[in-house]
Amino acid sequence: GQQLNQSPQSMFIQEGEDVSMNCTSSSIFNTWLWYKQDPGEGPVLLIALYKAGELTSNGRLTAQFGITRKDSFLNISASIPSDVGIYFCAGQPPYNTDKLIFGTGTRLQVFP
Amino acid sequence: DGGITQSPKYLFRKEGQNVTLSCEQNLNHDAMYWYRQDPGQGLRLIYYSQIVNDFQKGDIAEGYSVSREKKESFPLTVTSAQKNPTAFYLCASSSVPGAQYFGPGTRLTVT
Repeated sequence: GQQLNQSPQSMFIQEGEDVSMNCTSSSIFNTWLWYKQDPGEGPVLLIALYKAGELTSNGRLTAQFGITRKDSFLNISASIPSDVGIYFCAGQPPYNTDKLIFGTGTRLQVFP
Repeated sequence: DGGITQSPKYLFRKEGQNVTLSCEQNLNHDAMYWYRQDPGQGLRLIYYSQIVNDFQKGDIAEGYSVSREKKESFPLTVTSAQKNPTAFYLCASSSVPGAQYFGPGTRLTVT
């Protein structure tokens, strides 16, 4: 099945640093979603974006729906140890609104 | 508490046996989904259902079967025809196209 290109694959940062990750596609999406998954748990929805250009924040997290509708980014400011996990982007294609296409994930490690 | 429950958390089976994974939601969501996740990988869609008594194959449906007799429940059966059944299985639900909400997952090990 189709997958989104998510980068970077992994990040190792120091506590307090800001983090940025992004997702790109060759085709447009109607909706962009960002999830965080802790080891052995299900993904938790962080932010949902529904309009091109939309910029949404959730605490220290900020995400944007790209103007071209083919990309999205997630920023985490002032990282803390509990930010550790895998972050997935997901997009809803216009040709099939029943399904989501998931990115390959960004593994974040935060060192004290 | 509203949410999605999956049971059990860990499941062990012998090769050649069918096994059914449970997924229940009390969010009153119409749509439910089953995904498979392998180590270090993203999520792959197995089956989904938009409405009771109807479901569609996802990208990797071979060796799996589902039923949707009730709005709240969407059990997944991993059959003996599934060649590599050992994986982490995730159930999700949604009320509208877009945001899906996930359960805690079931880790299935087949030996």
